[in-house]
Amino acid sequence: DQQVKQNSPSLSVQEGRISILNCDYTNSMFDYFLWYKKYPAEGPTFLISISSIKDKNEDGRFTVFLNKSAKHLSLHIVPSQPGDSAVYFCAASAFLQGAQKLVFGQGTRLTINP
Amino acid sequence: KAGVTQTPRYLIKTRGQQVTLSCSPISGHRSVSWYQQTPGQGLQFLFEYFSETQRNKGNFPGRFSGRQFSNSRSEMNVSTLELGDSALYLCASSLDRISSYEQYFGPGTRLTVT
Repeated sequence: DQQVKQNSPSLSVQEGRISILNCDYTNSMFDYFLWYKKYPAEGPTFLISISSIKDKNEDGRFTVFLNKSAKHLSLHIVPSQPGDSAVYFCAASAFLQGAQKLVFGQGTRLTINP
Repeated sequence: KAGVTQTPRYLIKTRGQQVTLSCSPISGHRSVSWYQQTPGQGLQFLFEYFSETQRNKGNFPGRFSGRQFSNSRSEMNVSTLELGDSALYLCASSLDRISSYEQYFGPGTRLTVT
């Protein structure tokens, strides 16, 4: 049962344009959402997060949008740069079954074309 | 401040063997989590340790076990290896609650089972 889904395994975007990565979740108990970025041969690194009490959080070129009614979040990168090429994971956190849990999506491979 | 370190970085084992992976968290971090990453499955949560106690467990068989030492270093053990255990095993550390603090990941151990 995949509670956090990233339905696009890959995305290709032209340098300078906007990259939009999407993530859907099923459990309304999730109260905190995060995006991680992963380069080959490295562990994921934290990128940006958002609490369920907000609908937008911005950090430089990165903005995360949360639509609670649709159980959907998205990461916008603008303008996209070649160094943004990586695998992006969304993650959702909640207190479930007596413990704090962090559930990751399958990841989306973003390629920025020069 | 040194990051999360994992040893070994690469490992090749045969079916039926057992393996132990090691993780040293960032100094001062008391929570250590382990994840399995396979293509198409994203990051699957294995377990979390805090103050030498397993605080959280994912849906993996009992062949997967772990422990944490008093210095917060953690080890993960997989017994009776199967081909499907081939994956990247990631360790992440955080100060405390995994939802409130970003997790810092190590580079991972690439395990290949033949």
